[in-house]
Amino acid sequence: QVQLQESGPGLVKPSQTLSLTCTVSGGSISSGSYYWSWIRQPAGKGLEWIGRIYTSGSTNYNPSLKSRVTISVDTSKNQFSLKLSSVTAADTAVYYCARSTYYHAFDIWGQGTMVTVSS
Amino acid sequence: EIVLTQSPGTLSLSPGERATLSCRASQSVSSSYLAWYQQKPGQAPRLLIYGASSRATGIPDRFSGSGSGTDFTLTISRLEPEDFAVYYCQQYGSSPPRWTFGQGTKVEIK
Repeated sequence: QVQLQESGPGLVKPSQTLSLTCTVSGGSISSGSYYWSWIRQPAGKGLEWIGRIYTSGSTNYNPSLKSRVTISVDTSKNQFSLKLSSVTAADTAVYYCARSTYYHAFDIWGQGTMVTVSS
Repeated sequence: EIVLTQSPGTLSLSPGERATLSCRASQSVSSSYLAWYQQKPGQAPRLLIYGASSRATGIPDRFSGSGSGTDFTLTISRLEPEDFAVYYCQQYGSSPPRWTFGQGTKVEIK
């Protein structure tokens, strides 16, 4: 059974770069036709898709964040990563990694990791 | 950008009652790419429905989805205590590829 686990610093200073990693266990990140995404949720608010990557390295980003986001994949480690630059307090949120299938719904999610942007 | 508007914002019902949640899109959405999720406090969302009407693995048949075009509905036929949660609809657009979510409907115990 595939599981996802986010990891990374819980506190990031304003103007710095937020870096998170999602580790895929129970299966290969390269098997099947899956996309791997990052999604975030500010406290008490809704869900915002950040971007996705395919194991080929092909990426798509939310236009509202595109200038600050980089998503990469390391198939040898069964991981994919998120970098969000020039963060502000508005980037404080729970960050989830998730898998989407051919019907473009997110069927597997990580437990989420809280990231706070504060000096 | 397609905007999804969910209504009502909050639904106050008793266990055993029927819940009807609405998701309206600002322009036509492919039914193949409309999904519903359940989220409980402190947990990640859980996929309930994909393709507008197909139940995800392990989802009880009291959950059903319907709709097409711009209007979609999630129905919970008889609320169980564990169904009180926030529900989100989500659509995928392919040009360019992106996902958007509705703002959520909270189903609370009356």
